Amino acid sequence: DAKTTQPNSMESNEEEPVHLPCNHSTISGTDYIHWYRQLPSQGPEYVIHGLTSNVNNRMASLAIAEDRKSSTLILHRATLRDAAVYYCVAGGNYGQNFVFGPGTRLSVLP
Amino acid sequence: GAVVSQHPSRVICKSGTSVKIECRSLDFQATTMFWYRQFPKQSLMLMATSNEGSKATYEQGVEKDKFLINHASLTLSTLTVTSAHPEDSSFYICSARTGGTNYGYTFGSGTRLTVV
Repeated sequence: DAKTTQPNSMESNEEEPVHLPCNHSTISGTDYIHWYRQLPSQGPEYVIHGLTSNVNNRMASLAIAEDRKSSTLILHRATLRDAAVYYCVAGGNYGQNFVFGPGTRLSVLP
Repeated sequence: GAVVSQHPSRVICKSGTSVKIECRSLDFQATTMFWYRQFPKQSLMLMATSNEGSKATYEQGVEKDKFLINHASLTLSTLTVTSAHPEDSSFYICSARTGGTNYGYTFGSGTRLTVV
């Protein structure tokens, strides 16, 4: 797995968009970029993943840089329930381990 | 969607006893499962990779004789913490690769182990 770096924490106001950045400069060409989030005392929850193209789902959007060395998770309208630790993982292909970095703790202010 | 069930959700045991945690893939077969440990306010730390029908692969620094992993079927992996001590108290999480071309992973809800 490629090493990822994320800000330790971020803050957002409720109902505003949130952009969570992730750097993965050592990513290989076949590594997927995965985003998970974790609420206290729960297992990580899948958010979104992608390879090269930007991805959208009901939870979020994933914008992947053209050189794939960074990506941004976009929550279009933050709610209080989005407060969690967000993890970006690059890799996880067969034969690789799925390794988590420190993640970004997102606080959402009412 | 793919579901991984982890049981128990929390357990308290006495120092010196053993505790078994189960991880089941409910609606898919998982040839590979992963076990993580998480201390308060820290990230998940990969402990071992569990492969169906073969020995688990442990990360550096994880005692294989203390954390016994068994993956006897395509839907069940177990982690047994042997001779537990208070420092083994932690949040243990399993996950399974859901396969396919998207290399998705699904995580269990975790087990809070407290050793007293």
